[in-house]
Amino acid sequence: NAGVTQTPKFQVLKTGQSMTLQCAQDMNHEYMSWYRQDPGMGLRLIHYSVGAGITDQGEVPNGYNVSRSTTEDFPLRLLSAAPSQTSVYFCASSSRDRFRDEQFFGPGTRLTVL
Amino acid sequence: AQRVTQPEKLLSVFKGAPVELKCNYSYSGSPELFWYVQYSRQRLQLLLRHISRESIKGFTADLNKGETSFHLKKPFAQEEDSAMYYCALSGAGSYQLTFGKGTKLSVIP
Repeated sequence: NAGVTQTPKFQVLKTGQSMTLQCAQDMNHEYMSWYRQDPGMGLRLIHYSVGAGITDQGEVPNGYNVSRSTTEDFPLRLLSAAPSQTSVYFCASSSRDRFRDEQFFGPGTRLTVL
Repeated sequence: AQRVTQPEKLLSVFKGAPVELKCNYSYSGSPELFWYVQYSRQRLQLLLRHISRESIKGFTADLNKGETSFHLKKPFAQEEDSAMYYCALSGAGSYQLTFGKGTKLSVIP
């Protein structure tokens, strides 16, 4: 099992550009989520999904879109990147009935918006 | 609203000294509390959760509902304990994890 994978590892964007951060898991987990990690702010939930076709907003959803067309993939879209979105982005997954047991995190994507 | 507070950004201790990483929470119902750890160049991973009441890598944490705290303790710090530690909370029936801002533990040889 590859676990949770994220691509790319690093990305530099210019203000206004769009891009998609990819997240995939091969553990058949229903629950997937996106967090951003900023110095001094910890991890903050952006969006999450409890299954294919179901998504919901987290604490800081503005400027980000998500969709969940398959169980395996949960891409995060930045439609018009802003410098405030410079951060490290983590994807996580778990089985829905074991959500409170453990979240499996990806390696992260470091995004810089100039 | 649920909130997790970790008052220390950085905690430095000498090897062999006791460690206590503080975590306080705010939640109106019965929360589930977790400690996650991120070692250098590794993924964030679960260290322990209050409901399992177990000791992992010598660390323990007790949920104190009266003081709304979930402090992480270890009697004798090791150099390999140096990492970023996050306290997290999940509310009953919720699929959201709320993390604290994290405490960087540095164990001095």
